[in-house]
Amino acid sequence: SQQGEEDPQALSIQEGENATMNCSYKTSINNLQWYRQNSGRGLVHLILIRSNEREKHSGRLRVTLDTSKKSSSLLITASRAADTASYFCATACSFGGTSYGKLTFGQGTILTVHP
Amino acid sequence: SQTIHQWPATLVQPVGSPLSLECTVEGTSNPNLYWYRQAAGRGLQLLFYSVGIGQISSEVPQNLSASRPQDRQFILSSKKLLLSDSGFYLCAWSVAYSGNTIYFGEGSWLTVV
Repeated sequence: SQQGEEDPQALSIQEGENATMNCSYKTSINNLQWYRQNSGRGLVHLILIRSNEREKHSGRLRVTLDTSKKSSSLLITASRAADTASYFCATACSFGGTSYGKLTFGQGTILTVHP
Repeated sequence: SQTIHQWPATLVQPVGSPLSLECTVEGTSNPNLYWYRQAAGRGLQLLFYSVGIGQISSEVPQNLSASRPQDRQFILSSKKLLLSDSGFYLCAWSVAYSGNTIYFGEGSWLTVV
């Protein structure tokens, strides 16, 4: 299994601060994705970074990928109360150069942003 | 645009009763379809995935089964529910063979009592 493991399990910050969440995985990947889940809702895709990329930005989100360390980080800058949610990393298998879309999710980081 | 519908949103079922959760996708053809389960708001466990009609792969042995009677319809079933089947079930789809983004439904809360 190449399940991602997020760290920390929970993070509590004040509005305006930056939030950093980390993800580690075990085997070779095709890509790594981050998802967000509001309480009791479905997951929403945030950003995808491919195995040949090292950094990617999307608005206030910054994702890094270090394939040598099999780790990724998600940075949310200038956090808002509305960013309160659970954040999951997910890895797509590297299988003969083609991924079949099966994602393996980590346990998630619960982010709480206080107004 | 593509949409995914999943129902029912919540249900409470007695132990030993059957289960049927349904999911349909609109606006795309030949999607990969998935059923995930999430316990206690934590990580997701892939239960089943399908790359085509009648093609179902099971990831973990369990009391559940899945079927894909039509291209964009995915059904999760059980003949006899167990207490341990309680959880949050999520249907999802992705573009076939893309290995990219998975799009989730809003989920179904199942409580077995």
